[in-house]
Amino acid sequence: SQELEQSPQSLIVQEGKNLTINCTSSKTLYGLYWYKQKYGEGLIFLMMLQKGGEEKSHEKITAKLDEKKQQSSLHITASQPSHAGIYLCGADIPGGYNKLIFGAGTRLAVHP
Amino acid sequence: SQTIHQWPATLVQPVGSPLSLECTVEGTSNPNLYWYRQAAGRGLQLLFYSVGIGQISSEVPQNLSASRPQDRQFILSSKKLLLSDSGFYLCAWSVRRLRFEQYFGPGTRLTVT
Repeated sequence: SQELEQSPQSLIVQEGKNLTINCTSSKTLYGLYWYKQKYGEGLIFLMMLQKGGEEKSHEKITAKLDEKKQQSSLHITASQPSHAGIYLCGADIPGGYNKLIFGAGTRLAVHP
Repeated sequence: SQTIHQWPATLVQPVGSPLSLECTVEGTSNPNLYWYRQAAGRGLQLLFYSVGIGQISSEVPQNLSASRPQDRQFILSSKKLLLSDSGFYLCAWSVRRLRFEQYFGPGTRLTVT
């Protein structure tokens, strides 16, 4: 079965610093999703990547999918306290119906 | 625009008691619907998904069941709760086609005592 591993598990950065979160799959990714979760709340959809080498940006967050489609990274530039939360990557499970598996998440704290 | 509601927001129930969590979606028709559980410090585990009224698929054997009595209503139930059922339950919906992002509700935090 497919598994997603996220690293690091947790991250503490100073406001204004850049950071990168990684998501590695045990199998080829056909759809990779990044979500953000505030503690005790639902997930907020950030970006979806499908093609090898694809890169998408939203405000100060950039996500990339490598050419082999087995690894994705999420990069935050000039982090702010509002970026704090849990970042989860999800991947399509082959077979349809939009079923997703998720990584365990990366907990990000941004200190002013 | 589409919105998804879950209730209750929090729930404390004794072991052996029944459970009913409700999820409703507004602003879309024929969505795929999903129930996930998030244990403390862990990722999301898909419990059930549904592609239509009365059509439920279970992903993991467990003490829970799901039903979809209406197109935009998804219910998670249990006849007798176990301590291990504690967690954060999230409902989600997606457009019914391949590889479309899922949108999540605010979640229900269940504590079984």
